[in-house]
Amino acid sequence: AQKVTQAQTEISVVEKEDVTLDCVYETRDTTYYLFWYKQPPSGELVFLIRRNSFDEQNEISGRYSWNFQKSTSSFNFTITASQVVDSAVYFCALTEGRDSSYKLIFGSGTRLLVRP
Amino acid sequence: KAGVTQTPRYLIKTRGQQVTLSCSPISGHRSVSWYQQTPGQGLQFLFEYFSETQRNKGNFPGRFSGRQFSNSRSEMNVSTLELGDSALYLCASSLDLVLGYTFGSGTRLTVV
Repeated sequence: AQKVTQAQTEISVVEKEDVTLDCVYETRDTTYYLFWYKQPPSGELVFLIRRNSFDEQNEISGRYSWNFQKSTSSFNFTITASQVVDSAVYFCALTEGRDSSYKLIFGSGTRLLVRP
Repeated sequence: KAGVTQTPRYLIKTRGQQVTLSCSPISGHRSVSWYQQTPGQGLQFLFEYFSETQRNKGNFPGRFSGRQFSNSRSEMNVSTLELGDSALYLCASSLDLVLGYTFGSGTRLTVV
C-alpha cells in the first residue's frame, strides 16, 4: 500500500536559516504524483508544488526548492533564508489511483517554527 | 476567481446528533474530495465525487456519507455523531489530476 513518511515531527530554526523538510514515499504504481502543501494556523491546505513520477527535474520557486529522487523514493523540500511567515505545518502527499479516481495519501506533517 | 468554499467554518454538536457540511468547488471543477484531519490519525481520505457519482471511498464507517449536486457542490453527512468525529473536515476540488487539488479552509467540527 502507498505510504508517505515525514520523519521530522517538528523543526525550529532562526530566521534566515535554510531548512530542509524530508519526505520518503512507498508506492507500487509506476505513474504517480507527489505534492507538498502548507497548512497555516487558519487550517487551509495551500498547494506548493506537484511533481509527476516521470519528471525528476529539481524545481526552484523563489526561496523554495524541491529535490525529487526516484532512486531513493524521496521528495525533499528546502526553504532558503527562512522567514517567520514560513511557520506552518508542511505536508507531503502521494496519489493513489483506482480506475479514474485518485486520492491523496498524506504524511504526518512537519511543523516548522521560524523564530525571529 | 473564487476558491473552494466550505460552510460552516465551525460547528458544535452533541453526541448522537447528525451533521451536514457543505462544499462549493471552484467553478468548472467537477471532482470534489473530502478529508478528515485529526491529531491522532492525521489527514485521511473520506470520499471523492465526480459528476454526482461517488468514485472512491476511504475506510470510514457507513455513518459518513456524501453526495454531489448537478452544480458540483457537495455535502457530507455524519450521522449518530461520536466524540471521535471531532475533526477538521477539508474539501478539495480538482479540474484535472495533473493540475492538482485546491483545498477549502475546512469545517471544524466539535462533538461534545
